[in-house]
Amino acid sequence: QKEVEQDPGPLSVPEGAIVSLNCTYSNSAFQYFMWYRQYSRKGPELLMYTYSSGNKEDGRFTAQVDKSSKYISLFIRDSQPSDSATYLCAMSVGGSYIPTFGRGTSLIVHP
Amino acid sequence: DSGVTQTPKHLITATGQRVTLRCSPRSGDLSVYWYQQSLDQGLQFLIQYYNGEERAKGNILERFSAQQFPDLHSELNLSSLELGDSALYFCASSPLGEPYEQYFGPGTRLTVT
Repeated sequence: QKEVEQDPGPLSVPEGAIVSLNCTYSNSAFQYFMWYRQYSRKGPELLMYTYSSGNKEDGRFTAQVDKSSKYISLFIRDSQPSDSATYLCAMSVGGSYIPTFGRGTSLIVHP
Repeated sequence: DSGVTQTPKHLITATGQRVTLRCSPRSGDLSVYWYQQSLDQGLQFLIQYYNGEERAKGNILERFSAQQFPDLHSELNLSSLELGDSALYFCASSPLGEPYEQYFGPGTRLTVT
């Protein structure tokens, strides 16, 4: 079992839909949780990071962490074609700045 | 544009050769991280430097080495290259006090033939 599991997709949704992207993990020591967006042939771009459990919102993006279930989510509201990309979750143990990445979910938002 | 620069963008070389990848972090960032991204393994952490000193090592092969110079740019050296080393290599940097806020460069695509 990989430490971080992420469905590769692709996930195809119509423009304007609410998108839910998810990761599960096995290491209960993870305390920092990140979401990156990666466009084709580009470097990953940090969208947001959260510490421990709870929700964090930034514009159309909401990150949610449920440590009891070892499950994290990224919600995208009012999705746009420009959101089409691969979304990578990542997580770190407290005190270690080195993230363990999921394999990424490919998202396609069609007009 | 993240502010992190990497050169070259593409590199094609033969097995057994040695290459050097270069990274300049964002202005003011002291930490540099190197990652390898392949279809097989996804994004894997290789090594971290902070202000010239090695801070953490991940799944970095002995054939690979890195260093960070006084001007804070970093180089990743890959030697005795194998076909399996073909991948995207990313450099990232983070600001002081925000180690989880990593900014990635555009990457170097290495093809070993």
